[in-house]
Amino acid sequence: EAGVAQSPRYKIIEKRQSVAFWCNPISGHATLYWYQQILGQGPKLLIQFQNNGVVDDSQLPKDRFSAERLKGVDSTLKIQPAKLEDSAVYLCASSLVGGITGELFFGEGSRLTVL
Amino acid sequence: AQSVTQLGSHVSVSEGALVLLRCNYSSSVPPYLFWYVQYPNQGLQLLLKYTSAATLVKGINGFEAEFKKSETSFHLTKPSAHMSDAAEYFCAVTNNNAGNMLTFGGGTRLMVKP
Repeated sequence: EAGVAQSPRYKIIEKRQSVAFWCNPISGHATLYWYQQILGQGPKLLIQFQNNGVVDDSQLPKDRFSAERLKGVDSTLKIQPAKLEDSAVYLCASSLVGGITGELFFGEGSRLTVL
Repeated sequence: AQSVTQLGSHVSVSEGALVLLRCNYSSSVPPYLFWYVQYPNQGLQLLLKYTSAATLVKGINGFEAEFKKSETSFHLTKPSAHMSDAAEYFCAVTNNNAGNMLTFGGGTRLMVKP
């Protein structure tokens, strides 16, 4: 079974530029998550989708971050304009169900460096 | 509100020694607790989870954790460390009021010396 796919794995941009990350969840997984992991910290949830609807985006900085999940499968996370503090690994995860005990499967992450 | 504190950002043990990684949680309602492992340049992988059944939970690779409500703890242990256990370990919590929104601790990097 293929895992969660993310691209690009690495991205270096200058501040005020824009960047987009793509995620393809495990086939059949209805719930998709984007997490931000700053160096030395645990992952922090940015947004959670159930199919193509947003369940929780309370921690998404909406002035610069946006995410969509068209057709309830792939998802894109965009940052525009980027700030230095956005340097982090962006992790995508998916789960079969949205319930509490549903196991999350994580991708390898997209590492962003903002100069 | 919920939170997780992992004591010790770095833990070093000798191969064959006991592994003990500490996790304390805060939750206003009964929690669900998880341990994830992250190997270098890889995504997080579920080790084990506590979902209000048995308080002693066994996971993959010989790890186990015990939920202690009186101590608000969910420490991760393994009787004998192996070199392949070197990784970063994250404790996470959620509850019925938070849906599947996991709150992660800051992580503990485990180093295993030969």
